[in-house]
Amino acid sequence: SAVISQKPSRDICQRGTSLTIQCQVDSQVTMMFWYRQQPGQSLTLIATANQGSEATYESGFVIDKFPISRPNLTFSTLTVSNMSPEDSSIYLCSVTRNTGELFFGEGSRLTVL
Amino acid sequence: DAKTTQPPSMDCAEGRAANLPCNHSTISGNEYVYWYRQIHSQGPQYIIHGLKNNETNEMASLIITEDRKSSTLILPHATLRDTAVYYCIVSFLISSGSARQLTFGSGTQLTVLP
Repeated sequence: SAVISQKPSRDICQRGTSLTIQCQVDSQVTMMFWYRQQPGQSLTLIATANQGSEATYESGFVIDKFPISRPNLTFSTLTVSNMSPEDSSIYLCSVTRNTGELFFGEGSRLTVL
Repeated sequence: DAKTTQPPSMDCAEGRAANLPCNHSTISGNEYVYWYRQIHSQGPQYIIHGLKNNETNEMASLIITEDRKSSTLILPHATLRDTAVYYCIVSFLISSGSARQLTFGSGTQLTVLP
């Protein structure tokens, strides 16, 4: 399995502010994936973060709103910019392994007031 | 990825086997069946995956029908800690290249009753 640490685990933020979520993996990985899980909903992929190149965003998600950094093979950040209450969600970082599995961090629960 | 159909909720008595069904009638020959679960407020946890043959690990067993159009996840002795949303996902073997195509449906809320 992979050990994935996310910070913060939860936060309460004011409308209009930005929050950066960190994801640290215990070994080097090519790609890291960022998901969003809105209250009562399933998981939706936001973007794929490759080391050394721009992130690839899924339909409905844009870089200005969710800028991503990937400075090395074990670390990534996701920023939720200019937050509104609709951004209240759990944000999850995940990675794959050669064993054909996808592993998730514990998530960062964000509440926007 | 092929779509999957799961019942929205199920109950199971503690200590009994929990059998969670999943239909995936449009699965292709090279697609695997994956099961994940998500305990409230935690990240999803990998359970098991299989292609054709039945699979068993320390957490669960996966039974795939011969035509591969449906499968059943079996938790042999359910405990209260097994209460979670269980996701059945059909995908090519998950890799960095294929993970983008993963689709998490609504899953089955399993409630284990004391």
